[in-house]
Amino acid sequence: GESVGLHLPTLSVQEGDNSIINCAYSNSASDYFIWYKQESGKGPQFIIDIRSNMDKRQGQRVTVLLNKTVKHLSLQIAATQPGDSAVYFCAENISGTASKLTFGTGTRLQVTL
Amino acid sequence: DGGITQSPKYLFRKEGQNVTLSCEQNLNHDAMYWYRQDPGQGLRLIYYSQIVNDFQKGDIAEGYSVSREKKESFPLTVTSAQKNPTAFYLCASSYRDPSNQPQHFGDGTRLSIL
Repeated sequence: GESVGLHLPTLSVQEGDNSIINCAYSNSASDYFIWYKQESGKGPQFIIDIRSNMDKRQGQRVTVLLNKTVKHLSLQIAATQPGDSAVYFCAENISGTASKLTFGTGTRLQVTL
Repeated sequence: DGGITQSPKYLFRKEGQNVTLSCEQNLNHDAMYWYRQDPGQGLRLIYYSQIVNDFQKGDIAEGYSVSREKKESFPLTVTSAQKNPTAFYLCASSYRDPSNQPQHFGDGTRLSIL
């Protein structure tokens, strides 16, 4: 099966609890950020994005928080479900750089019943 | 349904052999990308193309080649010069304008050495 995710930091949460996945980004010039979800054997799936002129954005059951002062991004998942189990990546981009994304190494989310 | 199709899902390469990975999209995206994913690491950019007949090297282009003859297609060739080709290869696409658009990914090709 898919071997991506070996040696990744792992967050284990119980079904129904809220999950918070953190990401420290590297470039203070980055002004666009994306969260992706990757299930075993599949490509990354877009979850939510945020631009640097915002500090919070909400989607369906997900919220992204951006703290530019400390270069920190977080993804909050409400009422975590077994289907949320996956590896989550943050990615950053600088405007005018051809949408080139720099990816973090990822966090594995395990949802226990 | 619109999307990105990568083929084959699994590919095996013999020593000294070139292999080509296919990526096709019907999202009408201008830009296309190839990434390599290794266990425990984030995605690393191999090549990208913003328009037809033009492409640029990414961070790890050595041992790889691409072409962009059609908007829908961006094949990646892993040459014999790539000494460690075993990895999961992901193709993505996005709109070029306005800037800062999310990339959408295919489901990858897993390449292994025989």
